[in-house]
Amino acid sequence: KAGVTQTPRYLIKTRGQQVTLSCSPISGHRSVSWYQQTPGQGLQFLFEYFSETQRNKGNFPGRFSGRQFSNSRSEMNVSTLELGDSALYLCASSSYRASSYEQYFGPGTRLTVT
Amino acid sequence: QQQVKQSPQSLIVQKGGISIINCAYENTAFDYFPWYQQFPGKGPALLIAIRPDVSEKKEGRFTISFNKSAKQFSLHIMDSQPGDSATYFCAVKNRDDKIIFGKGTRLHILP
Repeated sequence: KAGVTQTPRYLIKTRGQQVTLSCSPISGHRSVSWYQQTPGQGLQFLFEYFSETQRNKGNFPGRFSGRQFSNSRSEMNVSTLELGDSALYLCASSSYRASSYEQYFGPGTRLTVT
Repeated sequence: QQQVKQSPQSLIVQKGGISIINCAYENTAFDYFPWYQQFPGKGPALLIAIRPDVSEKKEGRFTISFNKSAKQFSLHIMDSQPGDSATYFCAVKNRDDKIIFGKGTRLHILP
């Protein structure tokens, strides 16, 4: 079974630009969550999508947005990039199977804002 | 407001020893308590998890102990091996599937 894939793996942008990151979940998983990981703040929840609907949202400004497509693939967008947006962005797909919860993270997209 | 407090920040254990990482949470609405393992350059991987109706769960060398009244849970790694060297995160999940992570513990197992 293919794992969670994220593209691109590395990205360098300048302040003020925007960026779109992509995540393809495990086949059959309908829930996709996004996280930001930085050395200072650790892993922080951005948002979660389930069946194309945003179900949960973390405490991030409106510059961070996302969406999910009918095939469960998800994208997140960051507009007007700031230096502080430099981070590893992780997505995870999850599902409840036979009453047990399974979740898999992708390898992440390393975003550097200069 | 930090809803999950994890300690220690870093831990060094001799090979064959027991590694213990602790977490404390504040909100009693959480219904799922997972631990994640992350190696450098990789995303976190769900290692083991427990629900609040159980006080202990064991999977191989990994054990979660859960104390509902104290709102604490811990990860024990028995017979720690150099391959266990990684960063470990505790987390809490509510019924809406929102996951809140601890700050992480960097574990180093001495060969």
